[in-house]
Amino acid sequence: GDSVTQMEGPVTLSEEAFLTINCTYTATGYPSLFWYVQYPGEGLQLLLKATKADDKGSNKGFEATYRKETTSFHLEKGSVQVSDSAVYFCALSLTTDSWGKLQFGAGTQVVVTP
Amino acid sequence: NAGVTQTPKFRILKIGQSMTLQCTQDMNHNYMYWYRQDPGMGLKLIYYSVGAGITDKGEVPNGYNVSRSTTEDFPLRLELAAPSQTSVYFCASSPRGDYGYTFGSGTRLTVV
Repeated sequence: GDSVTQMEGPVTLSEEAFLTINCTYTATGYPSLFWYVQYPGEGLQLLLKATKADDKGSNKGFEATYRKETTSFHLEKGSVQVSDSAVYFCALSLTTDSWGKLQFGAGTQVVVTP
Repeated sequence: NAGVTQTPKFRILKIGQSMTLQCTQDMNHNYMYWYRQDPGMGLKLIYYSVGAGITDKGEVPNGYNVSRSTTEDFPLRLELAAPSQTSVYFCASSPRGDYGYTFGSGTRLTVV
């Protein structure tokens, strides 16, 4: 079935460093891809999405490009801030139906230090 | 805008007790979902609904039940609580497939 694999955390980096979180997927069809962010004690928030190959999603300085050839959707940010400390989830929409069900990765914790 | 509202935020249950987790959205979204989040495991889909009166099982439905009598409300019922149901529960809604979700702030449930 459809699945998502994310790099394990925690990822610890200094303020203003470059962030990459790897996400690869397995799907029988052509899913839409999402990144969600969860700040401590809160629910998940949609960060960005891409619905077809070569699309780039972007928001709040974060970017991810839908790469069908490598089945990847890596999240990047050029200069992180302490406020970016959170857990990041990659997700795909299941290709077996149209009811919007999402398959989530396990999440990657990011810790940014001053 | 309230978005998706979940109550309660925290709850401790004894084994065998029952409870209902409430979820309400004010965005007129047709699609609603219940997920549970366990440490290091991502989110697992429990139940979902595509409109009032229409619900279906997700990946981990055992021990839970749902109803959807209105567009706004999608309560999750635990009938006989077990320690394995200790988790954080999230409700989410979406206007259509592929749009992305709006999540509630979650209910942290502990079964002892």
